[in-house]
Amino acid sequence: SQTIHQWPATLVQPVGSPLSLECTVEGTSNPNLYWYRQAAGRGLQLLFYSVGIGQISSEVPQNLSASRPQDRQFILSSKKLLLSDSGFYLCAWNPTVQETQYFGPGTRLLVL
Amino acid sequence: DQQVKQNSPSLSVQEGRISILNCDYTNSMFDYFLWYKKYPAEGPTFLISISSIKDKNEDGRFTVFLNKSAKHLSLHIVPSQPGDSAVYFCAASVGGFKTIFGAGTRLFVKA
Repeated sequence: SQTIHQWPATLVQPVGSPLSLECTVEGTSNPNLYWYRQAAGRGLQLLFYSVGIGQISSEVPQNLSASRPQDRQFILSSKKLLLSDSGFYLCAWNPTVQETQYFGPGTRLLVL
Repeated sequence: DQQVKQNSPSLSVQEGRISILNCDYTNSMFDYFLWYKKYPAEGPTFLISISSIKDKNEDGRFTVFLNKSAKHLSLHIVPSQPGDSAVYFCAASVGGFKTIFGAGTRLFVKA
């Protein structure tokens, strides 16, 4: 069966520090991968999606970036965090032939 | 531009009664619709979906209705249980890609 992992679960970072959140999927190959953010009291905002290694599409311009160095690995990064980057970050995947997305457990990021 | 809208931020229902969560969308190209349930500090879990070729899909206590002409879908939970208390997200996609989520509705089921 397929499993999606995210780490860390919680992160507290100072403003201006770098960020690296990792997501990995097990039990499947060539998945579509997504990064979402849920800000406090708000819905899920799609940040990035990827259909393959090295293929990244950005939905919202901001100081975040994403990379997919391996088939089942998706990384969310920032060189300098802003206060507004605080939120709950969710990684998701779906098989290329299906439509339902499956989410990881999320990372809670607090930028102080 | 919100393509998927959940206009009710919260809903309170008595245990055993029906919960009806509503969702509206604007993009007529959407052909797949989903409902997710989310507890605090956890990732959303898939609940039920419906393709645009159907107008109803049922799974146990959960039924999703789709009205394409009105660009409206709803989730019915019957009977509601206290464990159903969570945030429910409506979502839609074109061909299963780049799923767009609504802002969510927080459901409270009172015992």
